[in-house]
Amino acid sequence: GQNIDQPTEMTATEGAIVQINCTYQTSGFNGLFWYQQHAGEAPTFLSYNVLDGLEEKGRFSSFLSRSKGYSYLLLKELQMKDSASYLCAVRDSNYQLIWGAGTKLIIKP
Amino acid sequence: GAVVSQHPSRVICKSGTSVKIECRSLDFQATTMFWYRQFPKQSLMLMATSNEGSKATYEQGVEKDKFLINHASLTLSTLTVTSAHPEDSSFYICSTGQDTEAFFGQGTRLTVV
Repeated sequence: GQNIDQPTEMTATEGAIVQINCTYQTSGFNGLFWYQQHAGEAPTFLSYNVLDGLEEKGRFSSFLSRSKGYSYLLLKELQMKDSASYLCAVRDSNYQLIWGAGTKLIIKP
Repeated sequence: GAVVSQHPSRVICKSGTSVKIECRSLDFQATTMFWYRQFPKQSLMLMATSNEGSKATYEQGVEKDKFLINHASLTLSTLTVTSAHPEDSSFYICSTGQDTEAFFGQGTRLTVV
């Protein structure tokens, strides 16, 4: 079956750096997405990786290793507003998105 | 980027009634629209995939007669929850997308009382 694993919850300190990992097993691979979702709101797009390596976008970076079925989202200079759930999703061979359960990130002052 | 407008954002209905949720693609021809449901503290669960001009494809366990999907044009897809029950209370989100990004509607919080 298809599976996306990410930690359920993480805690970090304001101003620090946090890395959220995601491992996946899917039938085919056509890209990996990271989304941020605040409670009660729709997800918002953070990043897209289809080739191995690091994609940097401001305070957020995302890394992909297709051979290891692994990705991480790196958040730098954490702010209180970064408290949210972070969803990892993989697009499979049918071009459907397979979603992880999300990682709830708690930022403490 | 493409914008998807979803309405209503919140709706409260009585048990047994029907509710229609609309998703409009404002600047993008949405050939395919995905409908998701999300229960509290859980991830998005794909309910069905609708393609313009054809019947929707439902995921296993989703009742097609209860969740009616219409995708009559490239800019509008609707989800109708028929004979709603309290257990249908959830967050419903539509999504369409281009190659490198999936675009989401704002979501609809449905509460059935």
